[in-house]
Amino acid sequence: QVQLVQSGAELKKPGASLKVSCKASGYTLTSYKMHWVRQAPGQGLEWMGIINPNGGSTTYAQRLQGRVTLTRDTSTSTVYMELSSLRSEDTAVYYCARDNWKWSFDCWGQGTLVTVPS
Amino acid sequence: QSALTQPASVSGSPGQSIAISCTGTSSDVGDYKHVSWYQQHPGKAPKLMIYDVSDRPSGVSDRFSGSKSGNTASLTISGLQAEDEANYYCSSYTSNNTWVFGGGTKLTVL
Repeated sequence: QVQLVQSGAELKKPGASLKVSCKASGYTLTSYKMHWVRQAPGQGLEWMGIINPNGGSTTYAQRLQGRVTLTRDTSTSTVYMELSSLRSEDTAVYYCARDNWKWSFDCWGQGTLVTVPS
Repeated sequence: QSALTQPASVSGSPGQSIAISCTGTSSDVGDYKHVSWYQQHPGKAPKLMIYDVSDRPSGVSDRFSGSKSGNTASLTISGLQAEDEANYYCSSYTSNNTWVFGGGTKLTVL
């Protein structure tokens, strides 16, 4: 079955960088685009960006432009999200989510909690 | 891109029907058929309930339905059940080739 497994929780210092992985199984990574979405504690969902694993093209949310980078390793069926210059407002659960070619997210990772103390 | 507007909370009794609205602009909800809805229980990842305004993924109950008029989309849940109590989020593709979510609606089953 389709599954997205993310890396574990992280505790980061302000100003540091973060890299979260999302390993896909049950399908061919390059056949579907992948989104990243985050959710601050007690808050709603925020779309961060999308990567097409077939070629690596990306689009990012304007408010994160310059701080977020999405990459992929097709040999391991893994997508990565890097976020730099971390601040306390980046404390959130980060999700990868597969695009189902219907402009929506049909399969989600389990989430990765990232904590950046103030 | 501003978040789509949803009511903070809605409630209903078991067996009743409720609707959750999602208001955007002519640059997102109003211009595209690509509105989707997600159910999220506390501590869990979101689950796709509706895509392309009114289509249901395989396995989602037909008690869930979606519609759109102008810049506002709606999710209707009929025959409310206790397990429907959750947070619901709408999402839309936008003219900037990005996606935007609503602020979320907490559904309480009385």
